[in-house]
Amino acid sequence: GIQVEQSPPDLILQEGANSTLRCNFSDSVNNLQWFHQNPWGQLINLFYIPSGTKQNGRLSATTVATERYSLLYISSSQTTDSGVYFCVVGETSGSRLTFGEGTQLTVNP
Amino acid sequence: NAGVTQTPKFRVLKTGQSMTLLCAQDMNHEYMYWYRQDPGMGLRLIHYSVGEGTTAKGEVPDGYNVSRLKKQNFLLGLESAAPSQTSVYFCASSYRPGLAGYEQFFGPGTRLTVL
Repeated sequence: GIQVEQSPPDLILQEGANSTLRCNFSDSVNNLQWFHQNPWGQLINLFYIPSGTKQNGRLSATTVATERYSLLYISSSQTTDSGVYFCVVGETSGSRLTFGEGTQLTVNP
Repeated sequence: NAGVTQTPKFRVLKTGQSMTLLCAQDMNHEYMYWYRQDPGMGLRLIHYSVGEGTTAKGEVPDGYNVSRLKKQNFLLGLESAAPSQTSVYFCASSYRPGLAGYEQFFGPGTRLTVL
């Protein structure tokens, strides 16, 4: 099956800093989503972005499907950004999603 | 719209007991999914359904059964719970995959502990 690698696995920031999270995948996809899992376990859908670039407030994401990677940008980070960020992909040949291992983000005040 | 809802939110079982988790969606999605999440890990697919009356195995199906009698509901059953099934269970739904892909929408999760 498709392999999904996220980097870095852990990231510690001071409030106000910017960061970039990366997701590499091993095969062509027709679904790519970024989720934020907050400390209470809730999964929050950030972006549905199988290709192209999207922005939502301080967050933006870019997927370059032909090169098999996606980037999530967080600007002016806040303590409420803390949690785990998951990259999730769906293979073009199938209908199931595969989760990456996640990036654990901690934003300190 | 309520989106994807899950019942119950929490449950504690003893080894050998059975239970059913209910997932409901009001978005008229064809596809529904059950995942489990163990501590420090991403979600893994247990079973999924591509339409009413159909189910298929995912990555970790052993010990679970599912049913999709109505389009809006997807049930996950544990016939004889084991401590290894202690986990957080997430349900999701999506439209049929097409050229534009298929965004999945997740429920809030059910935290299950098996003693």
